[in-house]
Amino acid sequence: NAGVTQTPKFRVLKTGQSMTLLCAQDMNHEYMYWYRQDPGMGLRLIHYSVGEGTTAKGEVPDGYNVSRLKKQNFLLGLESAAPSQTSVYFCASSYVGPYNEQFFGPGTRLTVL
Amino acid sequence: AQSVSQHNHHVILSEAASLELGCNYSYGGTVNLFWYVQYPGQHLQLLLKYFSGDPLVKGIKGFEAEFIKSKFSFNLRKPSVQWSDTAEYFCAVMAGNQFYFGTGTSLTVIP
Repeated sequence: NAGVTQTPKFRVLKTGQSMTLLCAQDMNHEYMYWYRQDPGMGLRLIHYSVGEGTTAKGEVPDGYNVSRLKKQNFLLGLESAAPSQTSVYFCASSYVGPYNEQFFGPGTRLTVL
Repeated sequence: AQSVSQHNHHVILSEAASLELGCNYSYGGTVNLFWYVQYPGQHLQLLLKYFSGDPLVKGIKGFEAEFIKSKFSFNLRKPSVQWSDTAEYFCAVMAGNQFYFGTGTSLTVIP
């Protein structure tokens, strides 16, 4: 099993550009999450999904959109990138219910100039 | 809003020293508690978790944590650290469907 994979690994954008980060998991997990990691701030939840076709806002959702069209994929979109969105983005997934650990992807390092 | 506090931002220890990293959370309801580790250049991995039962939880690589409900704490411990334990450690609390992470503690172990 590949576990949780993220595409791309690195990306540099100019302010105002758009992009989509792809997260894929092959563990048949129901729950999927997008986090951003910033120095001194730990991980903050952007959006999450408890099943195919459903999404919900996390702690810092502004400026991001997500879609979960297929159970194994969770996409994070930036419609108009801003320098404040420079960060490392982690995707995670877990089994049904809140009582299971999250499995994390390797991360995407995004720089917005 | 729920919050998770890790008061030690950066810890430096010599090999064989004992480790204790503090974690406090603010949530009055039922919580599930986790410690994750992030080795340099890698993604987060689970060290241990607590859902219910024995408040002393043992994890991988000799780590353990104790849940003290009255203190809203879930401190991580290891009796004797190794150079390979150099990493960033995150405490996390699950409340409802959301995870809340602490800001992390960077541990450097000197050989």
